[in-house]
Amino acid sequence: AQSVTQLDSHVSVSEGTPVLLRCNYSSSYSPSLFWYVQHPNKGLQLLLKYTSAATLVKGINGFEAEFKKSETSFHLTKPSAHMSDAAEYFCVVSEAPGRRALTFGSGTRLQVQP
Amino acid sequence: DAGVIQSPRHEVTEMGQEVTLRCKPISGHNSLFWYRQTMMRGLELLIYFNNNVPIDDSGMPEDRFSAKMPNASFSTLKIQPSEPRDSAVYFCASSLRRDPRETQYFGPGTRLLVL
Repeated sequence: AQSVTQLDSHVSVSEGTPVLLRCNYSSSYSPSLFWYVQHPNKGLQLLLKYTSAATLVKGINGFEAEFKKSETSFHLTKPSAHMSDAAEYFCVVSEAPGRRALTFGSGTRLQVQP
Repeated sequence: DAGVIQSPRHEVTEMGQEVTLRCKPISGHNSLFWYRQTMMRGLELLIYFNNNVPIDDSGMPEDRFSAKMPNASFSTLKIQPSEPRDSAVYFCASSLRRDPRETQYFGPGTRLLVL
């Protein structure tokens, strides 16, 4: 069975400083991994995804994530936080076709201080 | 493209009433998903369809919940009778294919409050 753990429920950074949102996954198969962002009262938007190609994945708005199979991690990073990055971020795992669809992590709320 | 469309955006109803949530997926997408988001349980997959056929409904909480997809451009999620614990945000999402690598595109959600 697949599962995903987001290690921090809240992260607070200052504008202009790096962002690190941590995610560990568990999967019996070769998973696909996603990061979605949800701004207040909005739907979810895809930031980036890993689908067994390059292990370093670049997404929108300057975010990137690195798939590390040995550590079963898929941490999200951004070199310099912007006020508009304040939102909730979800790490998501998906397994082989025919199995249950996406499994979401519990979310990490990112606060960006001026 | 208009994206995934959900209606209504907000619904307030009284316990015992029937609630119907509607979703129009992105044109050409073959898979459709219904999710529920609550503070306590986070995001949960309720059911998903592929080519209008329900594939996995194991996330549907109980018999009070039902979902249909009569055609490729429309799906409904019905709660009858509704209860206060059904209060949540319900999201619909669609993807091009039934493939775990495919991106799911989410609608804006329906915020349901059952009094």
